[in-house]
Amino acid sequence: EDQVTQSPEALRLQEGESSSLNCSYTVSGLRGLFWYRQDPGKGPEFLFTLYSAGEEKEKERLKATLTKKESFLHITAPKPEDSATYLCAVQEEGTYKYIFGTGTRLKVLA
Amino acid sequence: GAVVSQHPSWVICKSGTSVKIECRSLDFQATTMFWYRQFPKQSLMLMATSNEGSKATYEQGVEKDKFLINHASLTLSTLTVTSAHPEDSSFYICSARVIGVNTEAFFGQGTRLTVV
Repeated sequence: EDQVTQSPEALRLQEGESSSLNCSYTVSGLRGLFWYRQDPGKGPEFLFTLYSAGEEKEKERLKATLTKKESFLHITAPKPEDSATYLCAVQEEGTYKYIFGTGTRLKVLA
Repeated sequence: GAVVSQHPSWVICKSGTSVKIECRSLDFQATTMFWYRQFPKQSLMLMATSNEGSKATYEQGVEKDKFLINHASLTLSTLTVTSAHPEDSSFYICSARVIGVNTEAFFGQGTRLTVV
Protein backbone atom coordinates (compact mmCIF):
# COMPACT_ATOMS: atom_id res chain seq x y z
CA GLU A 1 0.00 0.00 0.00
CA ASP A 2 1.30 3.44 -0.92
CA GLN A 3 2.26 5.45 2.12
CA VAL A 4 3.83 8.80 3.02
CA THR A 5 5.11 9.50 6.54
CA GLN A 6 6.47 12.82 7.71
CA SER A 7 8.55 13.50 10.79
CA PRO A 8 8.69 15.18 13.13
CA GLU A 9 5.04 16.04 13.55
CA ALA A 10 5.97 19.41 15.03
CA LEU A 11 9.24 21.31 15.33
CA ARG A 12 10.19 24.45 17.20
CA LEU A 13 13.40 26.21 16.21
CA GLN A 14 15.14 29.35 17.28
CA GLU A 15 15.76 31.85 14.53
CA GLY A 16 18.96 30.84 12.76
CA GLU A 17 18.84 27.24 14.01
CA SER A 18 19.07 24.99 10.95
CA SER A 19 17.24 21.66 10.80
CA SER A 20 15.75 19.05 8.48
CA LEU A 21 12.28 17.66 7.92
CA ASN A 22 11.83 14.08 6.78
CA CYS A 23 9.40 12.49 4.35
CA SER A 24 9.51 8.70 4.02
CA TYR A 25 7.52 7.08 1.27
CA THR A 26 6.49 3.70 -0.04
CA VAL A 27 5.25 3.59 -3.61
CA SER A 28 5.60 1.00 -6.33
CA GLY A 29 6.90 3.46 -8.87
CA LEU A 30 7.59 7.13 -8.22
CA ARG A 31 6.46 9.70 -10.75
CA GLY A 32 7.38 12.63 -8.52
CA LEU A 33 7.73 13.85 -4.94
CA PHE A 34 6.48 17.29 -4.03
CA TRP A 35 6.98 19.71 -1.18
CA TYR A 36 4.41 22.32 -0.29
CA ARG A 37 4.13 24.96 2.39
CA GLN A 38 0.75 25.63 3.98
CA ASP A 39 -0.10 28.59 6.16
CA PRO A 40 -3.12 28.40 8.50
CA GLY A 41 -6.41 28.79 6.64
CA LYS A 42 -4.71 28.82 3.24
CA GLY A 43 -4.15 26.36 0.43
CA PRO A 44 -0.74 24.72 -0.04
CA GLU A 45 1.94 26.72 -1.83
CA PHE A 46 4.19 24.81 -4.22
CA LEU A 47 7.87 24.62 -3.29
CA PHE A 48 9.66 21.79 -5.11
CA THR A 49 9.29 18.78 -7.35
CA LEU A 50 11.84 15.97 -7.23
CA TYR A 51 11.76 13.17 -9.78
CA SER A 52 14.69 10.85 -9.17
CA ALA A 53 17.07 9.74 -6.43
CA GLY A 54 20.01 12.07 -6.03
CA GLU A 55 18.13 15.11 -7.23
CA GLU A 56 18.34 18.33 -5.21
CA LYS A 57 16.45 21.61 -5.47
CA GLU A 58 17.05 24.89 -3.63
CA LYS A 59 15.04 28.01 -3.00
CA GLU A 60 16.24 30.69 -0.62
CA ARG A 61 16.71 28.99 2.78
CA LEU A 62 15.17 25.71 1.67
CA LYS A 63 16.83 22.72 0.04
CA ALA A 64 15.05 19.49 -0.88
CA THR A 65 16.80 16.18 -1.50
CA LEU A 66 15.56 12.78 -2.61
CA THR A 67 16.63 9.17 -2.14
CA LYS A 68 14.81 6.00 -3.15
CA LYS A 69 13.02 5.85 0.20
CA GLU A 70 12.85 9.37 1.59
CA SER A 71 13.16 13.06 1.02
CA PHE A 72 14.55 15.75 3.26
CA LEU A 73 13.67 19.41 3.40
CA HIS A 74 16.62 21.25 4.87
CA ILE A 75 16.00 24.67 6.36
CA THR A 76 19.10 26.80 6.77
CA ALA A 77 19.10 29.72 9.22
CA PRO A 78 15.30 29.88 9.40
CA LYS A 79 13.38 33.06 10.09
CA PRO A 80 10.04 33.48 11.86
CA GLU A 81 8.34 33.90 8.48
CA ASP A 82 9.32 30.31 7.66
CA SER A 83 6.80 29.15 10.28
CA ALA A 84 4.18 27.02 8.51
CA THR A 85 3.14 23.43 7.93
CA TYR A 86 5.31 21.69 5.36
CA LEU A 87 3.58 18.98 3.36
CA CYS A 88 5.15 16.21 1.35
CA ALA A 89 3.22 14.39 -1.39
CA VAL A 90 4.06 11.62 -3.83
CA GLN A 91 2.68 10.68 -7.20
CA GLU A 92 2.76 7.11 -8.35
CA GLU A 93 3.61 6.27 -11.95
CA GLY A 94 0.53 6.16 -14.12
CA THR A 95 -1.48 8.64 -12.09
CA TYR A 96 -1.48 12.34 -11.29
CA LYS A 97 -3.11 11.85 -7.90
CA TYR A 98 -1.20 12.97 -4.84
CA ILE A 99 -0.75 10.98 -1.66
CA PHE A 100 -0.06 13.47 1.09
CA GLY A 101 1.81 13.04 4.32
CA THR A 102 0.39 14.49 7.51
CA GLY A 103 2.81 17.39 7.48
CA THR A 104 5.37 18.93 9.83
CA ARG A 105 4.25 22.01 11.75
CA LEU A 106 7.28 24.30 11.98
CA LYS A 107 7.48 27.18 14.41
CA VAL A 108 10.49 29.49 14.24
CA LEU A 109 10.95 31.70 17.27
CA ALA A 110 12.52 35.14 17.06
CA GLY B 1 3.37 31.37 -11.94
CA ALA B 2 0.24 29.28 -12.18
CA VAL B 3 -2.64 30.76 -10.21
CA VAL B 4 -5.69 28.89 -8.98
CA SER B 5 -8.53 30.94 -7.57
CA GLN B 6 -11.15 29.42 -5.30
CA HIS B 7 -14.39 31.13 -4.32
CA PRO B 8 -15.78 31.73 -1.80
CA SER B 9 -13.06 31.77 0.84
CA TRP B 10 -15.58 31.01 3.53
CA VAL B 11 -19.28 30.28 3.69
CA ILE B 12 -21.81 29.64 6.41
CA CYS B 13 -25.00 27.83 5.45
CA LYS B 14 -28.00 26.33 7.12
CA SER B 15 -28.36 22.60 7.47
CA GLY B 16 -30.21 21.11 4.50
CA THR B 17 -29.14 23.73 1.98
CA SER B 18 -26.65 23.35 -0.86
CA VAL B 19 -23.41 25.23 -1.35
CA LYS B 20 -21.38 25.66 -4.52
CA ILE B 21 -17.62 26.21 -4.50
CA GLU B 22 -15.80 27.39 -7.63
CA CYS B 23 -12.23 26.61 -8.63
CA ARG B 24 -10.68 28.53 -11.52
CA SER B 25 -7.29 28.32 -13.16
CA LEU B 26 -6.59 31.95 -13.99
CA ASP B 27 -3.57 31.83 -16.29
CA PHE B 28 -3.47 28.29 -17.59
CA GLN B 29 -5.67 25.49 -18.84
CA ALA B 30 -6.30 22.45 -16.70
CA THR B 31 -7.78 19.24 -18.02
CA THR B 32 -7.65 17.78 -14.54
CA MET B 33 -8.59 19.36 -11.23
CA PHE B 34 -8.66 17.75 -7.83
CA TRP B 35 -10.88 18.36 -4.81
CA TYR B 36 -9.63 17.80 -1.27
CA ARG B 37 -11.02 17.99 2.19
CA GLN B 38 -8.91 18.90 5.21
CA PHE B 39 -9.80 18.60 8.88
CA PRO B 40 -7.97 20.65 11.54
CA LYS B 41 -4.34 19.63 11.96
CA GLN B 42 -4.78 16.83 9.45
CA SER B 43 -3.50 16.38 5.95
CA LEU B 44 -5.38 16.73 2.69
CA MET B 45 -7.69 13.87 1.76
CA LEU B 46 -8.47 13.53 -1.92
CA MET B 47 -12.21 13.47 -2.56
CA ALA B 48 -12.39 13.32 -6.33
CA THR B 49 -10.60 13.93 -9.59
CA SER B 50 -12.42 16.25 -11.96
CA ASN B 51 -11.87 15.82 -15.68
CA GLU B 52 -12.96 18.42 -18.22
CA GLY B 53 -15.91 17.23 -20.24
CA SER B 54 -16.39 13.95 -18.40
CA LYS B 55 -17.62 12.58 -15.11
CA ALA B 56 -15.56 13.01 -12.00
CA THR B 57 -13.79 10.07 -10.41
CA TYR B 58 -14.57 9.79 -6.73
CA GLU B 59 -12.38 8.25 -4.06
CA GLN B 60 -13.68 5.36 -2.03
CA GLY B 61 -16.05 6.46 0.68
CA VAL B 62 -16.97 9.79 -0.91
CA GLU B 63 -20.67 10.13 -1.69
CA LYS B 64 -21.15 11.10 -5.32
CA ASP B 65 -24.69 12.38 -4.76
CA LYS B 66 -23.65 14.59 -1.86
CA PHE B 67 -20.54 16.10 -3.46
CA LEU B 68 -21.45 17.00 -7.04
CA ILE B 69 -18.52 17.95 -9.25
CA ASN B 70 -18.75 19.66 -12.62
CA HIS B 71 -15.79 20.50 -14.83
CA ALA B 72 -17.44 22.39 -17.65
CA SER B 73 -14.39 24.08 -19.13
CA LEU B 74 -10.61 23.93 -19.09
CA THR B 75 -10.50 26.68 -16.47
CA LEU B 76 -13.44 25.98 -14.17
CA SER B 77 -14.49 23.18 -11.86
CA THR B 78 -17.25 23.39 -9.27
CA LEU B 79 -18.01 21.38 -6.15
CA THR B 80 -21.56 21.47 -4.84
CA VAL B 81 -22.21 20.16 -1.35
CA THR B 82 -25.85 19.12 -1.44
CA SER B 83 -28.15 18.97 1.57
CA ALA B 84 -25.29 20.03 3.80
CA HIS B 85 -25.15 18.90 7.41
CA PRO B 86 -22.87 19.98 10.28
CA GLU B 87 -20.59 17.01 9.68
CA ASP B 88 -19.83 18.42 6.23
CA SER B 89 -18.20 21.44 7.87
CA SER B 90 -14.58 21.41 6.79
CA PHE B 91 -11.89 23.13 4.73
CA TYR B 92 -12.27 22.28 1.04
CA ILE B 93 -9.35 22.86 -1.33
CA CYS B 94 -9.04 22.44 -5.08
CA SER B 95 -5.94 22.02 -7.19
CA ALA B 96 -5.22 22.09 -10.88
CA ARG B 97 -2.45 20.68 -12.99
CA VAL B 98 -1.00 22.55 -15.93
CA ILE B 99 -1.38 20.68 -19.20
CA GLY B 100 1.99 19.40 -20.29
CA VAL B 101 5.03 17.64 -18.94
CA ASN B 102 5.20 19.10 -15.43
CA THR B 103 3.31 17.07 -12.90
CA GLU B 104 3.05 19.52 -10.03
CA ALA B 105 -0.35 20.86 -9.10
CA PHE B 106 -1.23 24.33 -7.87
CA PHE B 107 -3.75 24.87 -5.15
CA GLY B 108 -6.53 27.32 -4.52
CA GLN B 109 -6.72 29.24 -1.28
CA GLY B 110 -9.38 26.93 0.13
CA THR B 111 -12.98 27.36 1.27
CA ARG B 112 -14.00 27.13 4.92
CA LEU B 113 -17.51 25.68 5.03
CA THR B 114 -19.51 25.90 8.24
CA VAL B 115 -22.93 24.28 8.34
CA VAL B 116 -25.16 25.43 11.18
